[in-house]
Amino acid sequence: QKEVEQNSGPLSVPEGAIASLNCTYSDRVSQSFFWYRQYSGKSPELIMSIYSNGDKEDGRFTAQLNKASQYVSLLIRDSQPSDSATYLCAVLNNRLAFGKGNQVVVIP
Amino acid sequence: DTGVSQDPRHKITKRGQNVTFRCDPISEHNRLYWYRQTLGQGPEFLTYFQNEAQLEKSRLLSDRFSAERPKGSFSTLEIQRTEQGDSAMYLCASSPDTRTQSSYNSPLHFGNGTRLTVT
Repeated sequence: QKEVEQNSGPLSVPEGAIASLNCTYSDRVSQSFFWYRQYSGKSPELIMSIYSNGDKEDGRFTAQLNKASQYVSLLIRDSQPSDSATYLCAVLNNRLAFGKGNQVVVIP
Repeated sequence: DTGVSQDPRHKITKRGQNVTFRCDPISEHNRLYWYRQTLGQGPEFLTYFQNEAQLEKSRLLSDRFSAERPKGSFSTLEIQRTEQGDSAMYLCASSPDTRTQSSYNSPLHFGNGTRLTVT
């Protein structure tokens, strides 16, 4: 079982819609969870962090964490073409483990 | 610019040659990480340092790979006898000690990476 799994294929959403991304992790003792955005040819940049069960909102982004289900999600509201990128879920246990990422394409 | 700096940005080498990459972390960060990323995959952990000590090395990492951080500042990653399968983006990142509360807001800051192509 991979440490961090992101199984959804590319996600196409119309501009203004909500993009929903999901991630599961295998290590039950993990305490810190992150979403990174990566544009093509660029390095990952942190967009959200979450440490407690529930929702955390930052602008148009909402991260959701459910430790009992070992599940993290990211919602992007009012999607914009500039949100088109690959979104990486990451879990911190001494070092950061990444999922393979989900590509999001926002269609104008 | 006080971010993480990597050099070179691109490297093309022939199979069998040795290559060395350099990373300069954010100056106050004592943790330094190396990751490798191939197309369509997330970054894969290679190794990390706390100051000059190498604390963990991926079990998947070949003996051809070696990393150093001799003075606890910059780090080098060397690949000996390169193979075509080594072609990837090599990412360096730094962070404060993750045991401190101040690290939780932004655990890893990435450099722009070194893209290696082995022909």
